[in-house]
Amino acid sequence: QSALTQPRSVSGSPGQSVTISCTGTNSDVGGYNYVSWYQQHPGKAPKLMIYDVSQRPSGVPDRFSGSKSGNTASLTISGLQAEDEADYYCCSYAGSYTPYVFGIGTKVTVL
Amino acid sequence: QVQLVQSGAEMKKPGSSVKVSCRASGGTFISYTISWVRQAPGQGLEWMGGIIPVFGTPNYAQKFQGRVTITADESTSTAYMELSSLNSEDTAIYYCARDQYSGYDFNYWGQGTLVTVSS
Repeated sequence: QSALTQPRSVSGSPGQSVTISCTGTNSDVGGYNYVSWYQQHPGKAPKLMIYDVSQRPSGVPDRFSGSKSGNTASLTISGLQAEDEADYYCCSYAGSYTPYVFGIGTKVTVL
Repeated sequence: QVQLVQSGAEMKKPGSSVKVSCRASGGTFISYTISWVRQAPGQGLEWMGGIIPVFGTPNYAQKFQGRVTITADESTSTAYMELSSLNSEDTAIYYCARDQYSGYDFNYWGQGTLVTVSS
């Protein structure tokens, strides 16, 4: 099972919106509505930001939103803030053979 | 408030094994999936396997089949991940994580355990 494809980096100015794509196959992203997104600051454990493609856990700001079309999922951060600068990973359920596959990660830089 | 507390850092020789523990508190241990995810230095996240304690049967990523063993002890609310035949590429931070919402999320994370494999 190959890692999901994400852009290595995206950047934006405070207040702007950025979108991170996560491309897989119809065996993972396209086959299930179980895509999740994680934010990771340096030296910290990952934090769940979105689950089941577009659901936000309690406590996550509504600036973070998720969507999916075909084999590509996306995470959008609206109204970018300095504290959003971090690495972001997508993850998809991929069936019983190897249940979960992560993306390669995207570094978000706030200019 | 669910907390996952992992055992401390380990230094291992190539060819040996390591066993990392993850103790859960503040929630129902047996009904949720405990997964193990690792992160090599400067690299991304990699799912290794998971277990639902009430069922006891683990599920492993194909890459680690035959080399990883995940178990859970309901009496102490502790999950374990043992990785054998270690090599330098196994040097990584190993995290345990637990779902919360749909069963397909990793909402709670341990603090991570650094395993260094070096001769």
